[in-house]
Amino acid sequence: SQQGEEDPQALSIQEGENATMNCSYKTSINNLQWYRQNSGRGLVHLILIRSNEREKHSGRLRVTLDTSKKSSSLLITASRAADTASYFCATDAWTGGFKTIFGAGTRLFVKA
Amino acid sequence: EAGVAQSPRYKIIEKRQSVAFWCNPISGHATLYWYQQILGQGPKLLIQFQNNGVVDDSQLPKDRFSAERLKGVDSTLKIQPAKLEDSAVYLCASSLVQGVGETQYFGPGTRLLVL
Repeated sequence: SQQGEEDPQALSIQEGENATMNCSYKTSINNLQWYRQNSGRGLVHLILIRSNEREKHSGRLRVTLDTSKKSSSLLITASRAADTASYFCATDAWTGGFKTIFGAGTRLFVKA
Repeated sequence: EAGVAQSPRYKIIEKRQSVAFWCNPISGHATLYWYQQILGQGPKLLIQFQNNGVVDDSQLPKDRFSAERLKGVDSTLKIQPAKLEDSAVYLCASSLVQGVGETQYFGPGTRLLVL
């Protein structure tokens, strides 16, 4: 079963705008990671945030984590056409052993 | 540094046939993962190896799927016999060690279509 649920399922914005994607999860976690998947390709790791962290930055990416609400958000600032991809959150959750579980993803389309 | 290699990239088979996928992880990576990604969904872990031992195969349909990682390097995933619902992208990933929060590096995937 999917641990993470991304919201929205799809997002279309203009180049230069900011894109915000949200992820909610069900069980306690140690870490939450965000991955990007370009059409027809494998996933690429973007950023990891640990359960004791609240915010993390990497270039144009900003991730927040609210463990009390079991949610995370990924903000991409000043989006580019090359940011067009699917974005997945992945949680390291205990299910009888630590396992990385991916959500269903948000499909982002950035129009030039 | 070479990435995770997978082959073939595409495969079309008829139901009830068998198929095998191959993965070569990044050199030195002890942990190897196989995921199934159905169109419109996130990847689902099928099996995880630590060196040549299985760590987790709880979501592997063992009546038709099998995987091995001989010598703790390359791995093969086999489906026999295939069903229509097995149509998906099969992703292989590797990480340096097994551990919470380890970054997984993904291959390009094998796109399987079962007719």
